Amino acid sequence: SQQGEEDPQALSIQEGENATMNCSYKTSINNLQWYRQNSGRGLVHLILIRSNEREKHSGRLRVTLDTSKKSSSLLITASRAADTASYFCATDKAAGNKLTFGGGTRVLVKP
Amino acid sequence: EADIYQTPRYLVIGTGKKITLECSQTMGHDKMYWYQQDPGMELHLIHYSYGVNSTEKGDLSSESTVSRIRTEHFPLTLESARPSHTSQYLCASGDFGRANEKLFFGSGTQLSVL
Repeated sequence: SQQGEEDPQALSIQEGENATMNCSYKTSINNLQWYRQNSGRGLVHLILIRSNEREKHSGRLRVTLDTSKKSSSLLITASRAADTASYFCATDKAAGNKLTFGGGTRVLVKP
Repeated sequence: EADIYQTPRYLVIGTGKKITLECSQTMGHDKMYWYQQDPGMELHLIHYSYGVNSTEKGDLSSESTVSRIRTEHFPLTLESARPSHTSQYLCASGDFGRANEKLFFGSGTQLSVL
């Protein structure tokens, strides 16, 4: 069974709105990462949050991590049409060096 | 940005053919990975390597094989392709040093077996 599960599976918003997606995982982790994938392409790393961190920002991205609930959220503020993509969380378990990915959230930002 | 390359980008072949998907990176990363992804679905790790002459099977069983003779090169081979192998194959690399624990992905190979 997958380590990470994203929620919702799909999200449709208007340009300028915020997009929030969540990720839950099952085992203890070393860090949690978020990646973006444009249709038919490879994944691009967005942001990493370590197990001892609670919140991290990068530009319009805000990531939170709650290790007690084994969950993380990714917030994209002031979304743009170019943010249309699938977003995946990935966990690096304590053993390290192998990322396990969830099923992703497909985000559509309408102009 | 990412100096990791996969060829071919698309491949359509008949059942029973032998194929090799190429993956090369110029970043000097020791660790390389192959993931399999069906459309709109999660990625499944099928093979990984922590260095030259080191290869391991991933979490998802796969009939493919890999080799790592050079640091920069991590090809994946299917001896006899079947329609069930139709999928997108993504290659990735990373060094997982303290300051760089992320993966760099290639653009993928979309494989269709008829």
